[in-house]
Amino acid sequence: EVQLVESGGGLVQPGGSLRLSCAVSGFTFSDHYMDWVRQAPGKGLEWVGRSRNRAESYSTGYAPSLRGRFTISRDDSKDSLYLQMNRLKTEDTAVYYCTRSDATGYSVYWGRGTLVTVSS
Amino acid sequence: DIQMTQSPSTLSASVGDRVTITCRASQSISSWLAWYQQKPGKAPNLLIYKASSLESGVPSRFSGSGSGTEFTLTISSLQPDDFATYYCQQYDYDYTFGQGTKLEIK
Repeated sequence: EVQLVESGGGLVQPGGSLRLSCAVSGFTFSDHYMDWVRQAPGKGLEWVGRSRNRAESYSTGYAPSLRGRFTISRDDSKDSLYLQMNRLKTEDTAVYYCTRSDATGYSVYWGRGTLVTVSS
Repeated sequence: DIQMTQSPSTLSASVGDRVTITCRASQSISSWLAWYQQKPGKAPNLLIYKASSLESGVPSRFSGSGSGTEFTLTISSLQPDDFATYYCQQYDYDYTFGQGTKLEIK
């Protein structure tokens, strides 16, 4: 059974940093593309970024509005995906979902999400 | 950026109704479109990919159609479990979601 479990969310002040983790199981992590998608309270879904698979050299892509502040990485030895978020803004407040995605781009499996609150 | 616009934003319907949700892209995305269902407090669930392909395990009352810039999600006969919010997503260039359509009980 495919499982994705996010962690690392919490309250952080504006300008601060936070690293989210996504622990996966039930599939060969290195074979798959992984995405982060977020959802602000009461709002819609927003794609954050992607980590491609080993065959694509784990290359990454980001939403243009987030490029430069957010960084995605992965550790295949730990079956884990990470999202490093720097210079956080109040508008980054959201539930952050980790997803396992098809290479073409849609998200097949989703974690339950972790809430990040940016507030002073 | 490719913009995705869903209509309506809210839809009131009854069990057994046939409902259609529309998603329009600001430029052609071929058939690179997915539909998701989301219930309150839960993660989204993939329903349809490549505009009309039904994800494994999704009931056959859900169907998708369209190509280019206009797409539809149809539920042939609403069931109580279907009242939720629905999102379209384009994945032709980067990945953009529609704003969502909330399907409510009439």
